[in-house]
Amino acid sequence: GQNIDQPTEMTATEGAIVQINCTYQTSGFNGLFWYQQHAGEAPTFLSYNVLDGLEEKGRFSSFLSRSKGYSYLLLKELQMKDSASYLCAVRNDYKLSFGAGTTVTVRA
Amino acid sequence: DAMVIQNPRYQVTQFGKPVTLSCSQTLNHNVMYWYQQKSSQAPKLLFHYYDKDFNNEADTPDNFQSRRPNTSFCFLDIRSPGLGDAAMYLCATSRDKVAKNIQYFGAGTRLSVL
Repeated sequence: GQNIDQPTEMTATEGAIVQINCTYQTSGFNGLFWYQQHAGEAPTFLSYNVLDGLEEKGRFSSFLSRSKGYSYLLLKELQMKDSASYLCAVRNDYKLSFGAGTTVTVRA
Repeated sequence: DAMVIQNPRYQVTQFGKPVTLSCSQTLNHNVMYWYQQKSSQAPKLLFHYYDKDFNNEADTPDNFQSRRPNTSFCFLDIRSPGLGDAAMYLCATSRDKVAKNIQYFGAGTRLSVL
């Protein structure tokens, strides 16, 4: 079975940093994806990790520890437009199993 | 420009009345997926096509079927919608089944069942 956990909600101030954690227990692992989903819109790809360590892409970074079944998405210099749901997804073969998403609210 | 297009964005149907949701893509990707996403829940994979090969998830209800007449289009048919089928339906594509292949999503169709 697949079990992917992430916090339901987080709130942060504009300009701050927020870290969204994701833990997973899955029957197989071919990589971990993070997607951003604004209300009423399509999920859009943010990052992909398959090896342990940190991947940095502008204001967003993603970390993976396969031995711990753990990842995080780090959002720096938060902007109001970053208010959205962030979905952690584990790839097993060709399929993605998603967490329920973390709703991030950025306050002025 | 949108690369994965879902129509309609909002669909209202009556209990038991068949409904079809459509998805088209301009990416020429081999794989197309259908997900169901209920409020505050994870997207759940219903089925996918690799080219013309259809793969059904074990727990996808028989009420749900899919058609892929060509590379660009894929349809989700719900034969007899129940109240529990009200959800957002997301279509996604990927170039193939290689591990890093990113899935690109459409904006979704929100289905209401009265």
